Amino acid sequence: AQSVTQPDIHITVSEGASLELRCNYSYGATPYLFWYVQSPGQGLQLLLKYFSGDTLVQGIKGFEAEFKRSQSSFNLRKPSVHWSDAAEYFCAVGATGGSYIPTFGRGTSLIVHP
Amino acid sequence: DTAVSQTPKYLVTQMGNDKSIKCEQNLGHDTMYWYKQDSKKFLKIMFSYNNKELIINETVPNRFSPKSPDKAHLNLHINSLELGDSAVYFCASSQDSPDGYTFGSGTRLTVV
Repeated sequence: AQSVTQPDIHITVSEGASLELRCNYSYGATPYLFWYVQSPGQGLQLLLKYFSGDTLVQGIKGFEAEFKRSQSSFNLRKPSVHWSDAAEYFCAVGATGGSYIPTFGRGTSLIVHP
Repeated sequence: DTAVSQTPKYLVTQMGNDKSIKCEQNLGHDTMYWYKQDSKKFLKIMFSYNNKELIINETVPNRFSPKSPDKAHLNLHINSLELGDSAVYFCASSQDSPDGYTFGSGTRLTVV
């Protein structure tokens, strides 16, 4: 079974600074990988996904993520954070064989200081 | 024109009661899901359902049951509510492929 770890519970950045949120997964093959964002009181919104091909994927809201097989990682990045990016971010991993219902990480809460 | 809608948004009820949460999607997706998010924001899959298969997370108590009158609806019925059922419940839908989910905005259930 697959698993995913988001090692940072909270991340605080200043507005305009760059951002990297970490995600590590465990799976026997190349998994399906996702990043979701949850704003307060809202459901989760898909930011980006990786299935295969180019290991650098672009998403919505100026986010990107890079799949690194050697490190079993799929870190989320943004070059310049806006105050509206403050939210909870979830990494998820899905199996590529059989049921691909993703397993979610425990989330990283992003705090943006003015 | 909401893609995945859940009702109610908030639900406060007493222990022992039976309640239902409704979910509807207008995306034409094949599969619908229910997730439970606890107070620490951990998301746990409860059910996935399409017209072919119901997959139940074996850790979900049988007091919880999904009911799907048609492809666009997947309701969650909960019997004999317990304090530990307090959480935010999310409905989601997807095509029958690993293409990512569309989530509803959640139902915050409080059992007192």
